[in-house]
Amino acid sequence: NAGVTQTPKFQVLKTGQSMTLQCAQDMNHEYMSWYRQDPGMGLRLIHYSVGAGITDQGEVPNGYNVSRSTTEDFPLRLLSAAPSQTSVYFCASSYSRRAYEQYFGPGTRLTVT
Amino acid sequence: DAKTTQPTSMDCAEGRAANLPCNHSTISGNEYVYWYRQIHSQGPQYIIHGLKNNETNEMASLIITEDRKSSTLILPHATLRDTAVYYCIVRLNAGKSTFGDGTTLTVKP
Repeated sequence: NAGVTQTPKFQVLKTGQSMTLQCAQDMNHEYMSWYRQDPGMGLRLIHYSVGAGITDQGEVPNGYNVSRSTTEDFPLRLLSAAPSQTSVYFCASSYSRRAYEQYFGPGTRLTVT
Repeated sequence: DAKTTQPTSMDCAEGRAANLPCNHSTISGNEYVYWYRQIHSQGPQYIIHGLKNNETNEMASLIITEDRKSSTLILPHATLRDTAVYYCIVRLNAGKSTFGDGTTLTVKP
């Protein structure tokens, strides 16, 4: 199993540009989520999904959209990038919403200039 | 969610036990304690979790006080590769965990 994969690894955007961060898992996990981590800080939950077709907001959802059309994929869209969205983005998955162990991807390092 | 308090940083000598404390005085009866670690900006890695009883696995031990208001993660024989940020999370639903700032553990030769 590849586990949780994220692309791209690095990205530089200009203010106002849009882009999609990709996340995929091959473990047939129901639950997937997106976090952002600003320098020197912990992770904050952006959006999550409990299954295909079901998404919900986390702690810091503004400026981001998600969709979950398949079990495997959970893309994160930045609608109009802002410098405040410069961060490292992590995708995670778990067997179910009540599973205790989350598996994290390697992260996408995004810089918005 | 119960709030957790962890020291900002700790040092440990290689080969010695690392004891990382976490206070969670507002924990409710059905909330679990989870520990994750993050090595050098990689994605966080699950270590262990517990509800009431002490737990042990191949990575670490988790000691939870009887009143459940605090816990300690123990790495029995710390190595240089255990240098990381360790997060204590208290939550009913692990999938929707919120990570605080954690404890930066530095293992020194």
